[in-house]
Amino acid sequence: AQSVAQPEDQVNVAEGNPLTVKCTYSVSGNPYLFWYVQYPNRGLQFLLKYITGDNLVKGSYGFEAEFNKSQTSFHLKKPSALVSDSALYFCAVRDMVDSNYQLIWGAGTKLIIKP
Amino acid sequence: GAGVSQTPSNKVTEKGKYVELRCDPISGHTALYWYRQSLGQGPEFLIYFQGTGAADDSGLPNDRFFAVRPEGSVSTLKIQRTERGDSAVYLCASSVGVFGAYEQYFGPGTRLTVT
Repeated sequence: AQSVAQPEDQVNVAEGNPLTVKCTYSVSGNPYLFWYVQYPNRGLQFLLKYITGDNLVKGSYGFEAEFNKSQTSFHLKKPSALVSDSALYFCAVRDMVDSNYQLIWGAGTKLIIKP
Repeated sequence: GAGVSQTPSNKVTEKGKYVELRCDPISGHTALYWYRQSLGQGPEFLIYFQGTGAADDSGLPNDRFFAVRPEGSVSTLKIQRTERGDSAVYLCASSVGVFGAYEQYFGPGTRLTVT
């Protein structure tokens, strides 16, 4: 069965420090992987996705994510955190092979950037 | 260009009443999804449309929930005999296609409160 795990409910980072939000997945085939961000009282915004090719994917707002097939992970990273990055982050996966179109969503990680 | 829009942004209704929630997707997007999101949780899939037809409504919680997309663009989620447990944020998303690596673009959501 397909699944996504975001092992941390909350991540606290000081402004200017690097940040990592973790995501691991389980699919039967190869994955399409996505990160979304949700600011307070807003809808979800697409950040970046991994389809194929380079394991390091760059997205919006200076975020990037690294696909690691052996560890089945797709961690979200940013070299220098901003207070405005504080939000709820969701990882999602879709199996390339499985005909199920649905995105499988993680439970979300609350990122808090302290000045 | 215009993103996904949803109306109303907030809806307060009494238990037992009927409500309609509207979604206007990005022009040209053939796939449309409805999700429900409770505070601090990931999106819960309800239904998706490919064109005019509801291709999968397996996420609808019961027969009080129904959705239509008569012309393949705007969609309406309808909830009959609302219950307090229906209170949540209802999100709509659209994408260019259903399968593969297409990301979904979300609207701001409708916050439904059943009193």
